[in-house]
Amino acid sequence: AQKVTQAQTEISVVEKEDVTLDCVYETRDTTYYLFWYKQPPSGELVFLIRRNSFDEQNEISGRYSWNFQKSTSSFNFTITASQVVDSAVYFCALSEGANAGKSTFGDGTTLTVKP
Amino acid sequence: DAGVTQSPTHLIKTRGQQVTLRCSPKSGHDTVSWYQQALGQGPQFIFQYYEEEERQRGNFPDRFSGHQFPNYSSELNVNALLLGDSALYLCASVRSWRTAETQYFGPGTRLLVL
Repeated sequence: AQKVTQAQTEISVVEKEDVTLDCVYETRDTTYYLFWYKQPPSGELVFLIRRNSFDEQNEISGRYSWNFQKSTSSFNFTITASQVVDSAVYFCALSEGANAGKSTFGDGTTLTVKP
Repeated sequence: DAGVTQSPTHLIKTRGQQVTLRCSPKSGHDTVSWYQQALGQGPQFIFQYYEEEERQRGNFPDRFSGHQFPNYSSELNVNALLLGDSALYLCASVRSWRTAETQYFGPGTRLLVL
């Protein structure tokens, strides 16, 4: 069975600070995909980034970056120079490789960015 | 290009009633999934529809059923509502479940059962 754990329930930072959200996953699949979604108060899940199990190269996209390490089953997400608009609940999710559209989610981390 | 749309946005029902939620997938997507998100938790997979049939199902009772139409839109039906069914119901679509594609979510329907 798949499992995603986000140990940080809530994080509070001051604007312009960097913040890292942790995600640890469990799966028996050799091919899988990891995602980060943002959920503002309106409720809609907004896709942020995706990584497949074969590519451990870490990347930066604007203010977002991620650190994927298969050895520790972790997929951490960093926001650089946080802004008040980044305040939301962030979810890490896991999908089997040949089964798009069925994801296992963590319970989310509530990020509050104070001005 | 319209994204995933859901209706209604909010619903209030009483215990024992039945409810139908609706979803239109993103253009070009043929697979629709439904999730239940209780307060303070992550979304939980209910089921997925492809080619008008339920393709796979999560750990939800038979009170939860669905349908997919030829235009790929979908409905989620919940019978004999319980207080615990109060949640945000999210619809998601993907281009094809066979591909390694990202699923996109709609804004959700907030259901309150009194």
